[in-house]
Amino acid sequence: AQSVSQHNHHVILSEAASLELGCNYSYGGTVNLFWYVQYPGQHLQLLLKYFSGDPLVKGIKGFEAEFIKSKFSFNLRKPSVQWSDTAEYFCAVNADTGNQFYFGTGTSLTVIP
Amino acid sequence: EPEVTQTPSHQVTQMGQEVILRCVPISNHLYFYWYRQILGQKVEFLVSFYNNEISEKSEIFDDQFSVERPDGSNFTLKIRSTKLEDSAMYFCASRDVGTPSYEQYFGPGTRLTVT
Repeated sequence: AQSVSQHNHHVILSEAASLELGCNYSYGGTVNLFWYVQYPGQHLQLLLKYFSGDPLVKGIKGFEAEFIKSKFSFNLRKPSVQWSDTAEYFCAVNADTGNQFYFGTGTSLTVIP
Repeated sequence: EPEVTQTPSHQVTQMGQEVILRCVPISNHLYFYWYRQILGQKVEFLVSFYNNEISEKSEIFDDQFSVERPDGSNFTLKIRSTKLEDSAMYFCASRDVGTPSYEQYFGPGTRLTVT
């Protein structure tokens, strides 16, 4: 079965600091990869996705992620965080032949002004 | 921009009672999903639904759960006899059949509290 690991459970950063959130998955086949964000009191929103092509994908609000197939990783990055980035971030994987998403446990990001 | 909606936002029920959680997927989507998130844990897949039948379900989705698309717009999750451990956030999601990346659009969730 597939699984997704997010290594950082809670991250606290000052504004303008750089961010990198780790995500690793276990599945040997072709995958689609996603990062979702959940702002306080709101629903899951798609930040970015990878399903083919350039392994460096850019999403909304200045976020980007790099798919490294050899490392089974899809880390999320942002060069300079803002207070409004405070949220829960979820990595999700979907096998190309499957239907369901497998989510990581989430990383809670707190940005201090 | 079209959104998935869910009602109610919060449901409190007593153990053993039946609950129905409602979702209105995006109108032209054909795949529908339910996920749940127990407090402090990861989002877990429950079931997917396509062409008026369940296409995939997890081990969590046992006989006490059922899903239905009673009309052209609603998608419901029924829990027949709720248990304390059913307390969780329940998310509905939908997907367009033509989406190459299998992207799913999530609703805001229903917080179910079983007392």
